[in-house]
Amino acid sequence: ETGVTQSPTHLIKTRGQQVTLRCSSQSGHNTVSWYQQALGQGPQFIFQYYREEENGRGNFPPRFSGLQFPNYSSELNVNALELDDSALYLCASSLRSGASGGELFFGEGSRLTVL
Amino acid sequence: DAKTTQPNSMESNEEEPVHLPCNHSTISGTDYIHWYRQLPSQGPEYVIHGLTSNVNNRMASLAIAEDRKSSTLILHRATLRDAAVYYCILRERGYSGAGSYQLTFGKGTKLSVIP
Repeated sequence: ETGVTQSPTHLIKTRGQQVTLRCSSQSGHNTVSWYQQALGQGPQFIFQYYREEENGRGNFPPRFSGLQFPNYSSELNVNALELDDSALYLCASSLRSGASGGELFFGEGSRLTVL
Repeated sequence: DAKTTQPNSMESNEEEPVHLPCNHSTISGTDYIHWYRQLPSQGPEYVIHGLTSNVNNRMASLAIAEDRKSSTLILHRATLRDAAVYYCILRERGYSGAGSYQLTFGKGTKLSVIP
């Protein structure tokens, strides 16, 4: 059973550019969520996808967008990059479950630096 | 949003028990209490969760106050590998109902383990 894998692990972009980050979910997981973690802070929820549809979004502007594919892998796209977008971006997969909420499995993240 | 309060940092000697406190005075009746930890340069890792009763698993124990306004994560014998940031999180139901859950991370407690 493979865990959550993210790519790339590190990347550097300049202001105004666009970036795509990728995530492969843990085998059998149908829900994926993305988090942004600034240095010294806890992760902040960006959005969640279930069966290729967004079904939850945090306080992030529309230039943050995502996709989930039929194999449950996912992409996070960020347009018009700003300096404050520099952060660790974490992907987490889970199996849609009942009220207790299943365990989330996180990848090791993609470290984005915006210059 | 339901919020949690944790000490910024704690220290423990290796092989001693560690009690990590969390206050969540505004918890609602349907909120589950989840704990995650994040080791340096890694994504968060699930530790344990509970609703009302105390819970035990291979990693830790969770003691929940009778009024549910506080909880304590107990590591029975701290090892150097337990040095991490520990997050206490209330698992909220998202706007789309079951399956749409987001984790609201605070800054957590940074646990240092002294050899």
